[in-house]
Formats: sequence, structure tokens, C-alpha cells
Amino acid sequence: EDQVTQSPEALRLQEGESSSLNCSYTVSGLRGLFWYRQDPGKGPEFLFTLYSAGEEKEKERLKATLTKKESFLHITAPKPEDSATYLCAVQGSNYQLIWGAGTKLIIKP
Amino acid sequence: ETGVTQTPRHLVMGMTNKKSLKCEQHLGHNAMYWYKQSAKKPLELMFVYNFKEQTENNSVPSRFSPECPNSSHLFLHLHTLQPEDSALYLCASSQENGNGYTFGSGTRLTVV
Repeated sequence: EDQVTQSPEALRLQEGESSSLNCSYTVSGLRGLFWYRQDPGKGPEFLFTLYSAGEEKEKERLKATLTKKESFLHITAPKPEDSATYLCAVQGSNYQLIWGAGTKLIIKP
Repeated sequence: ETGVTQTPRHLVMGMTNKKSLKCEQHLGHNAMYWYKQSAKKPLELMFVYNFKEQTENNSVPSRFSPECPNSSHLFLHLHTLQPEDSALYLCASSQENGNGYTFGSGTRLTVV
């Protein structure tokens, strides 16, 4: 069964304290793994798509990596404005997206 | 502005009411989606439309009725809802292959 598990459920960091969010997945025929950011009261905002193991993508303080079993979203020297819920989803051979429950990231000044 | 517009942003309705949620996109996307988002749960796919044709209905109760009059507009008609239907309802659009969804800001629905 296709499945996505994100950990931790919540993460509190001090400003400047680097860390990583995890997205573990099982899927038949991975077509892509997606990372989204969601601010309170808003819809998810697209961040990255990763297609194959070994691929990496970066945007400002965020870097996403992919293996055959999991993806990490590394956040380097985070700022309070990086506080949000980060969602991971995988797309399998049937083109459907399977979503994780998200990690709520809080960055304290 | 995300390119996908949802109205209303907030809705409170009684269990006997009938209301509709509206979604509009002008991104040239061919697919549109309704999702339900409840606290601490993964996004739940409700309906998918490709080129105005419904291609997915994930066992959604009949009190939710979608309508897609054209490739730019999507509606979700609501009637006789239950309190457990209270949630954030998100609309999204994408190209046909489902890559890179663009989401609206959602409608926060409260059923009383």
C-alpha cells in the first residue's frame, strides 16, 4: 500500500539552528516526490519536485534530498519567517498524490 | 495571489442548509481537484476533474456534490452536512499529469 510518513510531527528551533525534516515513503513506481509549505489559513505552496534517488534541490535556506525510501528537507540557519507546516507528497504510477500529515516547524527568534 | 481563487474564505452553515464553494483558476491547467484538510491529518482527495470530466470520486458522501462547468471553474455543492464535515476545503489545479499542483487558500467550513 502506498504510504507517506512525516516526522517529527512538530519541531521547535531557535533562529539559526539548522535541522532536517523527514518524509518516508512506500509507493509503486515513483513518478515524483513533492514538498509544499503551508502557512496558517492558506493553501499549500509548492516548493520542490524530486524525481529520482540522489537528486537534490535548493531554494534559499531549504535543501531537499531524495533516496529510494525517504526524503529530507534540510533547513539551514532558519529564520522566524520559515515557520510553517511542511507537507510531503509522492506520486505513484497511477498519478495520484499520497500526502503525509506534515511537520509543523516553529522558529523562535 | 496564488492563481487559484476560492470563495468564500469562511463559511458557517447549519446542518439543514445548502451552500456552494467556488474555485477559479486561470493558469491554463487541465485538471482540478477538491481536497479536505482536517487538523493533523493528511490531505484527503475528494474529487478530480480532467478536461471537465470527473475521473476520481474517493467514496465521498453524496451530501458533497461537485460541478465543473468548464476547465477554469469548479464548484462543491453542500447540503445536509454533519459537524464532522467541518474542515478546510482546498481546491487545486495542475496540468493533466498531476505535476506541481497550485492550491487556493481554501474555504474554512464550520457546520453547526
